[in-house]
Amino acid sequence: EIVLTQSPGTLSLSPGERATLSCRASQTVSGRYLAWFQQKPGQAPRLLIYDASNRASGIPDRFSGSGSGTDFILTISRLEPEDFAMYYCQQYGSSPQTFGQGTKVEIK
Amino acid sequence: QVQQQESGPGLVKPSETLSLTCTVSGDSISSYYWSWIRQPPGKGLEWIGYVYYSGSTKFNPSLKSRVSMSVDRSKNQFSLKLNSLTAADTAVYYCAGHRGGFFDNWGQGILVTVSS
Repeated sequence: EIVLTQSPGTLSLSPGERATLSCRASQTVSGRYLAWFQQKPGQAPRLLIYDASNRASGIPDRFSGSGSGTDFILTISRLEPEDFAMYYCQQYGSSPQTFGQGTKVEIK
Repeated sequence: QVQQQESGPGLVKPSETLSLTCTVSGDSISSYYWSWIRQPPGKGLEWIGYVYYSGSTKFNPSLKSRVSMSVDRSKNQFSLKLNSLTAADTAVYYCAGHRGGFFDNWGQGILVTVSS
């Protein structure tokens, strides 16, 4: 199975700053089939990005995704207070679908 | 917009079988694939498997020997059964609908604790 490694484990930033989150796969993710989710405490994950770079419905354009092969990036251009949360990547190009271990974006 | 709600016991004994149901509203169950995903407290996400309205299934190899899933189209529901439970199966269990491989519709989740 494909192992996804997210870095950093924790990102300490201030509102208004830019956040760059990395997701590295142990093998090539076929078809750029990679998604990003946001999760807040006590809530279900929320889809942000699919197919590596497509924003899901209702997601603000400050969220963007890029990458291919084994390296993928989620960028939050200017952090809003509601963006401080956990973020997970997920690959669905190979079965079983797998998730990264998460990056926590916390207020500095 | 499709919505789903998990239901089932919050506490199950070791070695027993967990049975969870997900009730779908707002759309036909035949419009999506339906996955179960779990998250142990304070940890990451694990895909368990999916069921399609036709009854076809696919499971994570790590759990395949202990998992079954089914669909009840008349009730717009689908179900998960996980047997031979241990404390390691303690988690929040989510049901999620999807048309592609990514999960765009999530239930709120149900915490299941395995303890005697």
